[in-house]
Formats: sequence, structure tokens, C-alpha cells
Amino acid sequence: GESVGLHLPTLSVQEGDNSIINCAYSNSASDYFIWYKQESGKGPQFIIDIRSNMDKRQGQRVTVLLNKTVKHLSLQIAATQPGDSAVYFCAEIGGSNYKLTFGKGTLLTVNP
Amino acid sequence: DGGITQSPKYLFRKEGQNVTLSCEQNLNHDAMYWYRQDPGQGLRLIYYSQIVNDFQKGDIAEGYSVSREKKESFPLTVTSAQKNPTAFYLCASSNLGLAVPSTDTQYFGPGTRLTVL
Repeated sequence: GESVGLHLPTLSVQEGDNSIINCAYSNSASDYFIWYKQESGKGPQFIIDIRSNMDKRQGQRVTVLLNKTVKHLSLQIAATQPGDSAVYFCAEIGGSNYKLTFGKGTLLTVNP
Repeated sequence: DGGITQSPKYLFRKEGQNVTLSCEQNLNHDAMYWYRQDPGQGLRLIYYSQIVNDFQKGDIAEGYSVSREKKESFPLTVTSAQKNPTAFYLCASSNLGLAVPSTDTQYFGPGTRLTVL
């Protein structure tokens, strides 16, 4: 079946380094992708999104890259801070049913 | 402030009881969703509603029921038929427009942690 998954379940970086979190998806009909950040015991928080007609989108300290050829999505966080420590989920919507499919998440740990 | 609220934050249920989780949004969003999250797992869709008085089953609807009598409210009932209800429950809402990026974005509430005693 269709799925969204992550390459790495955990990522540990030093404060100030750049972080890259990867995500693979299998639904070629997906046309909208979102990255969420979830801190312990809280609901997911929207970070950035991208449509399938785009390759790159930048926000504040974050960049999302979309490679439709290999069905790969990545989230880059510049100058990672301790407050960035959380679980990061990618999610995708395909077709017109407005249902998000979530990956299992990557735990990012930022070491001071 | 606009947002999504869920109550209670923590809920305890005895086996065989039905419990109802509240979700309210004042974002004027058309669509609302309920997800279940188990430890170390992603979110799984239970039910969603795109319009008042209408809702659809998600991927794991068995043992759950919902209603959408008002645009701003989408309560979830966890029935006794749900054999493993202990989990973190998240409600979300979104607009349905596709013309502008981010209008599809689902905004999440703070969650309700349900524990079966």
C-alpha cells in the first residue's frame, strides 16, 4: 500500500550544526507535503509545506526539498538549536480525499 | 486567539466504559480530523469530517464514533468496543482550499492522553 516513511529514526547533532531529516514517500499521486514538529506531550506543530510543482521552499531557518523523481523529501534546519529537539514528521496528501498520511517520525536531539 | 482546543488533557477510563473527547476550533475551518498516536509511532487517522453533519471513517475507525453537529465541534467517543484505547489522541482542522499553499495545512490541538485502568 501507499506509505510515507523516514530513513532514520533518530538524529543527533551539535548545537549550531545544520540538520537534515529525510523522508521517502511511495504515492506518486501525492501533491502536497508538510513537515511537522512534535515536542513531547504536545500536538504536532506545522513547520513548512511544499506543493508537488515546487522543488524547494524556504522558511525561517528551514528549507524543504522535494525530489519527485525518487519520491524523496527532506527538511533542512540551519544552525540547529536545543529548542529544535523534537520528533519531526513528514506527511503527504494525495488525490482529493484531504487525508494526510504520516511517517513514523525522526527524533532530533541537539547537543549543547 | 484562534486555535484548536481539546479537553480533557488527561483521561482515565475503566474497561467497558465509553468516554468522549472534546475538540473545538474557532478557526472557521471546514474540515476536522481525529488521529491516534501510539508511543514512538506516527499518527493514524480515525475519522474525518469535511462538512457539518457528514463524516467518513479513517484507517482505524473500529471502536470509535464521532458527530459533527456544529462546524466548530467534532467530539470523539471511544467505545467499549475499542480493545486497546490507551493512546494519545489528536484533533486537527483545516480549510479545504487547494489554490493557495498552506490552506490545506492541518492545525493540531494539544492532544488528550487516554489511559485505560
